[in-house]
Amino acid sequence: AQTVTQSQPEMSVQEAETVTLSCTYDTSENNYYLFWYKQPPSRQMILVIRQEAYKQQNATENRFSVNFQKAAKSFSLKISDSQLGDTAMYFCAFMPYSGGGADGLTFGKGTHLIIQP
Amino acid sequence: DAGVTQSPTHLIKTRGQHVTLRCSPISGHKSVSWYQQVLGQGPQFIFQYYEKEERGRGNFPDRFSARQFPNYSSELNVNALLLGDSALYLCASSPTGGVRSYTFGSGTRLTVV
Repeated sequence: AQTVTQSQPEMSVQEAETVTLSCTYDTSENNYYLFWYKQPPSRQMILVIRQEAYKQQNATENRFSVNFQKAAKSFSLKISDSQLGDTAMYFCAFMPYSGGGADGLTFGKGTHLIIQP
Repeated sequence: DAGVTQSPTHLIKTRGQHVTLRCSPISGHKSVSWYQQVLGQGPQFIFQYYEKEERGRGNFPDRFSARQFPNYSSELNVNALLLGDSALYLCASSPTGGVRSYTFGSGTRLTVV
């Protein structure tokens, strides 16, 4: 079984600052996907960024980037030039490659990110 | 294009009752997955259906069941409701069942009193 741990229940930064959200995971799988999802008050889970474990290069999507350390089983999310609209719950999630998605996503407990004006 | 739609958005049920939640996937998506999100927690995987067959099941009791229809829409059924079943129930669809293209709906908020 996989576990995902997010050790920061809440973080608050000023607009335009850079913030890093932490995530660690535990698995015996060698091939897997890692994700960061954003959940605003509208409740819909929105994919922020995805990383395939076999790729050494860290994924980047505009202002969002990850620091993927496979040996350390660490997967942090960096948000640059933070904006008020980034205020939301952020969830780290894991999916083994084997099973083709039938195992579902394993989520952490989330980090509530607040961007202050 | 319509996204993943779930109905109802909110409902209140009494302990011991039965509830049915509905999900319509994005057009062309053949897989639907269900998640339960208790307040203050991350979502937990309940089921995945692909081409009307159950492909995966999380650690939930038999009171939870689901099915997928020929048009790929899905129902989640929960029998003998407990207070602990109060949660946000999220549906996600994907073209083939893999997670690379998961799209979530906005969920159904179930309150059991």
